Amino acid sequence: SAVISQKPSRDICQRGTSLTIQCQVDSQVTMMFWYRQQPGQSLTLIATANQGSEATYESGFVIDKFPISRPNLTFSTLTVSNMSPEDSSIYLCSANPWGSPYNEQFFGPGTRLTVL
Amino acid sequence: KQEVTQIPAALSVPEGENLVLNCSFTDSAIYNLQWFRQDPGKGLTSLLLIQSSQREQTSGRLNASLDKSSGRSTLYIAASQPGDSATYLCAPNDYKLSFGAGTTVTVRA
Repeated sequence: SAVISQKPSRDICQRGTSLTIQCQVDSQVTMMFWYRQQPGQSLTLIATANQGSEATYESGFVIDKFPISRPNLTFSTLTVSNMSPEDSSIYLCSANPWGSPYNEQFFGPGTRLTVL
Repeated sequence: KQEVTQIPAALSVPEGENLVLNCSFTDSAIYNLQWFRQDPGKGLTSLLLIQSSQREQTSGRLNASLDKSSGRSTLYIAASQPGDSATYLCAPNDYKLSFGAGTTVTVRA
């Protein structure tokens, strides 16, 4: 398994600003993912964070709005840019531990973002 | 695109009853399926992973079945407890996870 931490755990931000969310895993992982969970909704995949190359974004999500970095095998960041109240959500990262035979994914505790 | 449906959307039972949570998905070309638990405002806890070649997987009071060809999985929770109150999510994995809306379970003491 893998233990995943996220910072910050929550934040309240003003419209038009940006927030960077950090995701740290306690062991090396192959894939890292970023999800959004809007109020009362289920999870939607934003992008796959690739180590050493650009992230792969899902339909409806763009790099200018959600730039992602993954500098090594245990760390990734997601930035929510030029925020609006519609960006108020829980943002979660997940990862597949290296060597996991079944691609089991583990999730961080999430970052609760409120945009005023 | 994988579509996931979970029925029922909500369930309220007295303590001690067995729970049956249903999940259906549209694309049967999956590697595995995970069941997660989410407490309000929290992240996801992985409960069970059932491989595409398996029919069943058990962990304690939890048992998950998978019928890949018909695109269905069922999570059984035996002898429910108030601590089982949470939202349960199923997520078939066809290289990436797709999520349903979940089943919100309330177990009354």
